[in-house]
Amino acid sequence: SQQGEEDPQALSIQEGENATMNCSYKTSINNLQWYRQNSGRGLVHLILIRSNEREKHSGRLRVTLDTSKKSSSLLITASRAADTASYFCATPGGNTGKLIFGQGTTLQVKP
Amino acid sequence: ETGVTQSPTHLIKTRGQQVTLRCSSQSGHNTVSWYQQALGQGPQFIFQYYREEENGRGNFPPRFSGLQFPNYSSELNVNALELDDSALYLCASSWGGQRYSSETQYFGPGTRLLVL
Repeated sequence: SQQGEEDPQALSIQEGENATMNCSYKTSINNLQWYRQNSGRGLVHLILIRSNEREKHSGRLRVTLDTSKKSSSLLITASRAADTASYFCATPGGNTGKLIFGQGTTLQVKP
Repeated sequence: ETGVTQSPTHLIKTRGQQVTLRCSSQSGHNTVSWYQQALGQGPQFIFQYYREEENGRGNFPPRFSGLQFPNYSSELNVNALELDDSALYLCASSWGGQRYSSETQYFGPGTRLLVL
């Protein structure tokens, strides 16, 4: 079953603009992770935010976590054509060690 | 530091056949997870191996099986292939200080399987 749901499903912006993607989840978590996938290849880990953190930055990425609303957002600032990819949020699947992924947001950055 | 590698990169099989996919984990990692990703979907957890033991399983039938070796590399075996098994199969490794660690997983490039 899908724990995380990303919104929007697809996003198209111009280079230099900011891109915001949202993720909602259903159960309590101890961390939430964001991954990027380029054109059907492997996933690349972007950032992990723990349940006691509200915001985290990594380069042009900013992630927020609101545990009361069970939601997270990923902001990519000053986007580049190379940011074109699918972005997934993932949450731990209870006491199993697995990650549960949403269906992802497909981002297209036009040069 | 060597990343996660998978072989083969692409594979074509016919319905009813069996397939073995291989994964070498990143240096220093003791946990390997396998995921199936259908086109346009997010990855779905198949199972995880921690120190050579199965550490959790997703909603996949028993014809999906796996192994983890002493060097922490892993295999995914699928018997009696069905058309719906066509997907990208992703392997991810991580370091678990204990069972059921949910920390960052490092993914390989995947094996794309087509079942005809």
